[in-house]
Amino acid sequence: EIVLTQSPGTLSLSPGERATLSCRASQSISSSYLGWYQQKPGQAPRLLIYGASSRAAGIPDRFSGSGSGTAFTLTISSLAPEDSAVYFCHQYGNSNEGTFGQGTKVEIK
Amino acid sequence: QVQLVESGGGVVQPGGSLRLSCAASGFIFSDFDMHWVRQPPGKGLQWVAIIRYHANSKYYADSVKGRFTVSRDNPKNTLYLQMDSLRAEDTAVYYCARWRRSGTILGYQYAMDVWGQGTTISVSS
Repeated sequence: EIVLTQSPGTLSLSPGERATLSCRASQSISSSYLGWYQQKPGQAPRLLIYGASSRAAGIPDRFSGSGSGTAFTLTISSLAPEDSAVYFCHQYGNSNEGTFGQGTKVEIK
Repeated sequence: QVQLVESGGGVVQPGGSLRLSCAASGFIFSDFDMHWVRQPPGKGLQWVAIIRYHANSKYYADSVKGRFTVSRDNPKNTLYLQMDSLRAEDTAVYYCARWRRSGTILGYQYAMDVWGQGTTISVSS
């Protein structure tokens, strides 16, 4: 099973600051299958980034994704108050088994 | 509009069974693979299962293998999750999600692009 490890567990930043979220895989994975999701309390997850670096429809351009192999990053270039949420990375690939990272909580000061 | 609506949640005793449904609308259901994902109370997301668009292939997380069965009825635009031998650790909100493939033959990309609102399962005596 591929394990995804996200860091940090919690990020507390002020509006306008840059947030950098990390997702590391226990073995190399295809970027095609790496996605980032945002979840707010009481809501279903929402797709932000797919294929490691492509923004989903309607997602503001302050969100960007990068990385390959075992190291992936979600960057929020300038935090807005509505970005307060938990962010999960996810992979599903050749092993036919999907996994999520444990999540990074982003708090806006 | 594109929508997924789960139903069938409830309270069940350990060892019991439950069947969840996920009704799809606004898109050609038979064109898409579908996932089930769950979220225990206060915890992160857990991948549960996937069923291919043609229903000929199904894959499960180790934690549910042999107890849960995913199926679909394409003419009815509905996805199912039959859950047997339920345990306390199966308590969670269960989501269905569409698995979208985009791109070209030169390079495809995949994502869970549409999610239902979730249905809650509580396994307790």
